[in-house]
Amino acid sequence: GENVGLHLPTLSVQEGDNSIINCAYSNSASDYFIWYKQESGKGPQFIIDIRSNMDKRQGQRVTVLLNKTVKHLSLQIAATQPGDSAVYFCAESQGTYKYIFGTGTRLKVLA
Amino acid sequence: DGGITQSPKYLFRKEGQNVTLSCEQNLNHDAMYWYRQDPGQGLRLIYYSQIVNDFQKGDIAEGYSVSREKKESFPLTVTSAQKNPTAFYLCASTKTGVGTEAFFGQGTRLTVV
Repeated sequence: GENVGLHLPTLSVQEGDNSIINCAYSNSASDYFIWYKQESGKGPQFIIDIRSNMDKRQGQRVTVLLNKTVKHLSLQIAATQPGDSAVYFCAESQGTYKYIFGTGTRLKVLA
Repeated sequence: DGGITQSPKYLFRKEGQNVTLSCEQNLNHDAMYWYRQDPGQGLRLIYYSQIVNDFQKGDIAEGYSVSREKKESFPLTVTSAQKNPTAFYLCASTKTGVGTEAFFGQGTRLTVV
C-alpha cells in the first residue's frame, strides 16, 4: 500500500537512461520467475516472466536475465520513463502453488 | 474486463473485532491466495486454495481464517487473535498448473484503531 517502498533499496535513474534492477533468489530448485511492478497503494502488476530453461527473455522495453549458477535475476528497462517509477520485485516458484517474493527495489526516475 | 476485485480499499478495525476482506475473481482461475505486505518485507502467504472447498495454511496463518465456497470468491477473516493486523492485504489468483503468473487485486489496507 502506501507504505510499500519504505526502507527498500532505491535506484535513481535519469529519464531516458536504462535501468537494471537485481534480485537474488533463494532456491536452486525454483523453475519459474516473475517480475512485478507495484505503484503506491496498488496491487502488483505482472511485467515479464522466465522459465529456468531460458537465460534471457525480452518484452516491450524490458528484458529479464537469469543466471542459475549464482541464483540471480535481473530486470532491464530500456529508455526509462517517469511512469516506470514504482517498486519492483521478483518472485520465484518451485513447481508448486507457492511463490516466494523478494522485498523489492524502489525505482525513481529523475526528470 | 477480467480481473480480481478486492473490497474495501481501506478498512478500520477496533481491538477485539473480527473483520472480513472480500476477494472476487472472474478469471476462471482455480487457485486463489491471500498475502500480507508489510513495509520492507516481501509478500507473505497467509492462506491459499487450489480448488473449491479446500484451502491450506500458508506461512503466517495464525489469527486468520478463510473459506472457499465458490470458485470466484475467497474471503479472508482477520480475527481478534491476530495481534498485529495492521498491514496491506493482497489477494491473488492463478490458473491451474505450475509456472503461471499470479494476478493480483488492488489490495485492502487494514488499520487497527
